[in-house]
Amino acid sequence: SAVISQKPSRDICQRGTSLTIQCQVDSQVTMMFWYRQQPGQSLTLIATANQGSEATYESGFVIDKFPISRPNLTFSTLTVSNMSPEDSSIYLCSVGTSGRIVDEQFFGPGTRLTVL
Amino acid sequence: TQLLEQSPQFLSIQEGENLTVYCNSSSVFSSLQWYRQEPGEGPVLLVTVVTGGEVKKLKRLTFQFGDARKDSSLHITAAQPGDTGLYLCAGGSGAGGTSYGKLTFGQGTILTVHP
Repeated sequence: SAVISQKPSRDICQRGTSLTIQCQVDSQVTMMFWYRQQPGQSLTLIATANQGSEATYESGFVIDKFPISRPNLTFSTLTVSNMSPEDSSIYLCSVGTSGRIVDEQFFGPGTRLTVL
Repeated sequence: TQLLEQSPQFLSIQEGENLTVYCNSSSVFSSLQWYRQEPGEGPVLLVTVVTGGEVKKLKRLTFQFGDARKDSSLHITAAQPGDTGLYLCAGGSGAGGTSYGKLTFGQGTILTVHP
């Protein structure tokens, strides 16, 4: 499985500011995903970020709030814009493999964001 | 829309006890994964099951995929404090379509094993 790192690991931000989270993979991958997670709860998919195409956002998430870049096969960024306390959460990136039968994803360590 | 119902949501047991976590759906999945997540870390993939009726064992953990590929269970024998964490099941639908590569996650089970 791929080794995935995220920066920063945690941050405390003021409302109204923006934070960019980086996700770096040690091998080339086509599919990357960004999730949000409240501590102790399940994952909510924000968007799919495949290299060579625009990110695809899930219902309830918009590009103006969560712009995503995917410049190459090993790197992606998620920006949380104009933050409010409701954006306080854990943000996770994952890389996916998809075959005819099996879909698997491997996750980074997450970024814990607190908005004051 | 595919849903995975995971139960129980919380499980608090003593060291040495056995436990089972369930994931159920009305939808068929081509594969199903189980993850464990510890505080401050991302989910770690434990196992992937693909074939209906498949059983996989990982030390004290036994994973089963239902015959119809709509449900799965995770059984832990003689639980240890090191098993404490958030357990997540996730179903995949295989290649193609708008769900390409996406996983449907269960709500998660928080397991606490007391010494």
